[in-house]
Amino acid sequence: NAGVTQTPKFRVLKTGQSMTLLCAQDMNHEYMYWYRQDPGMGLRLIHYSVGEGTTAKGEVPDGYNVSRLKKQNFLLGLESAAPSQTSVYFCASSPVSGRGTDTQYFGPGTRLTVL
Amino acid sequence: AQKVTQAQTEISVVEKEDVTLDCVYETRDTTYYLFWYKQPPSGELVFLIRRNSFDEQNEISGRYSWNFQKSTSSFNFTITASQVVDSAVYFCALSGYTGGFKTIFGAGTRLFVKA
Repeated sequence: NAGVTQTPKFRVLKTGQSMTLLCAQDMNHEYMYWYRQDPGMGLRLIHYSVGEGTTAKGEVPDGYNVSRLKKQNFLLGLESAAPSQTSVYFCASSPVSGRGTDTQYFGPGTRLTVL
Repeated sequence: AQKVTQAQTEISVVEKEDVTLDCVYETRDTTYYLFWYKQPPSGELVFLIRRNSFDEQNEISGRYSWNFQKSTSSFNFTITASQVVDSAVYFCALSGYTGGFKTIFGAGTRLFVKA
């Protein structure tokens, strides 16, 4: 049981380049999330998904797109990277809870630097 | 609006001291969940506790204890007899109905435990 995995672990991009971050979970969780972590700001939600084929915007969605074609995968795309997107990105998943969100399980993070 | 405030940016203690990390939250929901996560220097996020708004009982788990007080909208975390391995960033988080049960994180408190 690998839990939540993220690919890649590190990446350096030049301004304007594009890339896709892959998140995979093997816990059959319905909900998946992408966060970014910046110094002094905690984690901020970028996009999330409540099930296969559905996505929604979080707190800071601009400049990012996501897709959830398969239940176990949640992709985060940067179409034209900007230095402001330099951050650590975390993926998380959680099971459906009868009364709302349940505990989230996090991946190890991807450190992205945009030059 | 929902908000989580961790006023202590950094705390430094000497091993074996007790330390309390403060968390104050804001929500208009009557049903909500509170969480604490730990982020050690290795970077991963580790779930510590989840508490729902209907359960104000304090919880103790080994050297860790949590004090939930709805009257003051606080969910404080105490580490008794701290150890060097407790050095980490600790995040308090809130998930409520108004936010679609998306999780809002505080900015985190960095704890240094010196030997």
